[in-house]
Amino acid sequence: AQSVTQPDIHITVSEGASLELRCNYSYGATPYLFWYVQSPGQGLQLLLKYFSGDTLVQGIKGFEAEFKRSQSSFNLRKPSVHWSDAAEYFCAVGANGNKLVFGAGTILRVKS
Amino acid sequence: DGGITQSPKYLFRKEGQNVTLSCEQNLNHDAMYWYRQDPGQGLRLIYYSQIVNDFQKGDIAEGYSVSREKKESFPLTVTSAQKNPTAFYLCASSMTPSGNQPQHFGDGTRLSIL
Repeated sequence: AQSVTQPDIHITVSEGASLELRCNYSYGATPYLFWYVQSPGQGLQLLLKYFSGDTLVQGIKGFEAEFKRSQSSFNLRKPSVHWSDAAEYFCAVGANGNKLVFGAGTILRVKS
Repeated sequence: DGGITQSPKYLFRKEGQNVTLSCEQNLNHDAMYWYRQDPGQGLRLIYYSQIVNDFQKGDIAEGYSVSREKKESFPLTVTSAQKNPTAFYLCASSMTPSGNQPQHFGDGTRLSIL
């Protein structure tokens, strides 16, 4: 069965600094990978997804993620963080015929 | 605009009471899901439905029940058997019940105990 680990519970970055949120997955075949963002009291919004092909995927709000098979990772990055990016971020993995499995989430705080 | 509507936004339950959370989608999606979210635990799957009149238990189904009589609707009942129901509940849908389909989420219902 697939699983997802987000090693960082909280991350604090300064506004304008770069950001990288870590995600490691466990799955035997090539997984389908997703990043979602959740603002307080709201549902989850899809940022980007990886199915196959180019290992660097672009998403909304200036986010990108890189799939690295050798490291079983799918880290989320943004070159310059804005105060409005403060939220909780979830990595998820899925496979054909199976449900999505979510990581525990990483809370991003942005210092002004 | 297409989307998922959850109601109510806040709900309070008394001891021994069953409460029902509503979830409606107008995306014409086949699959629908209910998740429970607790701080630091991510999302845990309660029930999911791949098609009308069919549903399966997720990882934490005890104390919950669902129905799927219409494609658009997937209500969740939190029964009195659920001893710790205080949580944020999220409903989601996807075009098909496959792991390669992104899920679309509602804005959630926060359930508390009176």
